[in-house]
Formats: sequence, C-alpha cells, structure tokens
Amino acid sequence: AQRVTQPEKLLSVFKGAPVELKCNYSYSGSPELFWYVQYSRQRLQLLLRHISRESIKGFTADLNKGETSFHLKKPFAQEEDSAMYYCASLGTGGFKTIFGAGTRLFVKA
Amino acid sequence: NAGVTQTPKFRILKIGQSMTLQCAQDMNHNYMYWYRQDPGMGLKLIYYSVGAGITDKGEVPNGYNVSRSTTEDFPLRLELAAPSQTSVYFCASSYSGGDVGKAGELFFGEGSRLTVL
Repeated sequence: AQRVTQPEKLLSVFKGAPVELKCNYSYSGSPELFWYVQYSRQRLQLLLRHISRESIKGFTADLNKGETSFHLKKPFAQEEDSAMYYCASLGTGGFKTIFGAGTRLFVKA
Repeated sequence: NAGVTQTPKFRILKIGQSMTLQCAQDMNHNYMYWYRQDPGMGLKLIYYSVGAGITDKGEVPNGYNVSRSTTEDFPLRLELAAPSQTSVYFCASSYSGGDVGKAGELFFGEGSRLTVL
C-alpha cells in the first residue's frame, strides 16, 4: 500500500542553520513525490516535485530509492521558511495523492 | 482565474445535522479531491473523482458522500454529522493531461473549518 512517513511533527532551528525535513515512502511501483507547504493563513501549495529536480526558495529534495526517502533540505534556514511541510506521493494513474502527517518547521531569529 | 473555491469557510453543526461543502474549480481539471486535515494526522483523502460522473473512495470515506455532475463542481455531503467529523476540509484539483511537467500538482482551496458539537 502507498504510504508516506514524516517522523518529525515539529522541527525548530535557528536562522542560518541547515534544515532537513525527513520523508520516507513505501510504494511498490515508481512513485512520484512532492513537497507541499502551508504558510500561515495561506492555502497549501506545491513547493517542489522530484521529477523537476529544481531548487525552490533554496530548498532541494533528492529521491533515494535505496532508502525510499525524499528528504527536504535547505542549507541556511530563513524565518520566512516557518510553515507546515507535507511530503506526498502520487500513485500510478496520475491521481490519488497520499500525504504524510506533516512537519511544522519553526525558524527562530 | 479563481482556481479552487470552497464554501463555506467556517461552519458549526449539531450532531445529526446534514450539510454540503461546496467546491468549484475553473481550471478545467478532470481530477478533483476532498481531504480532511486533522492535527498531527496530515491530510487524509476522503473521496476523489477522475471526471464528471465518476467518483471513488479514498482513505476515510465513511460518513461522507460526493457527486460529480459537472467538471467544475465536486460537493461533499455529510449526512449525519458526528463530533469525529470536526476537521478542516480541503478540496483540490489537478491536471489530467499528457504534459508530465503539469501532471500531479494539486491546487487547493482555502479550506472549510467544520465543528460538530
């Protein structure tokens, strides 16, 4: 069964420190993985997706099939990065996205 | 281009009451979804639809019903509200064409906060 695990509910770092939000997935096929972000008082929105291999707002995420992970990283956290982050997996067929429980990132000044 | 529009934003229900959460999108997306967001639990898929006239159950469908008579609209109905249905509900839609770069990205509504007392 398709499953996404985010082991940390809350992650607190100081401004300028590196940040890594963990995500592990279980899926029998080849999943398509995403990171979504929800800033305060804003709607959920896509941050990045693994097939695009791009850096958005300084964040990157690499798919590691051996470890079935898709961790989100940023070398220097900023206060405006404080938000709720969700890792998500899209199954075959291009629909039915499953989300992890989410990690709240708090960047302290 | 409004994207995904949900109404109402807030609602308080008594146990046993019924209500419908409305969702509309103007992006001509075939795929639409309803999720509920509970603290510490993330988003759980309630129902989804791959096109007008086609709906299917997600992870947590019990206590809910949906219909999809048009491409644009995907209402979610609660027939007999229970306290366990207190949550924030999100409607979303996604592109269903052949452009791999566009496929899969969910576009969300602002959410509907429902409290059942």
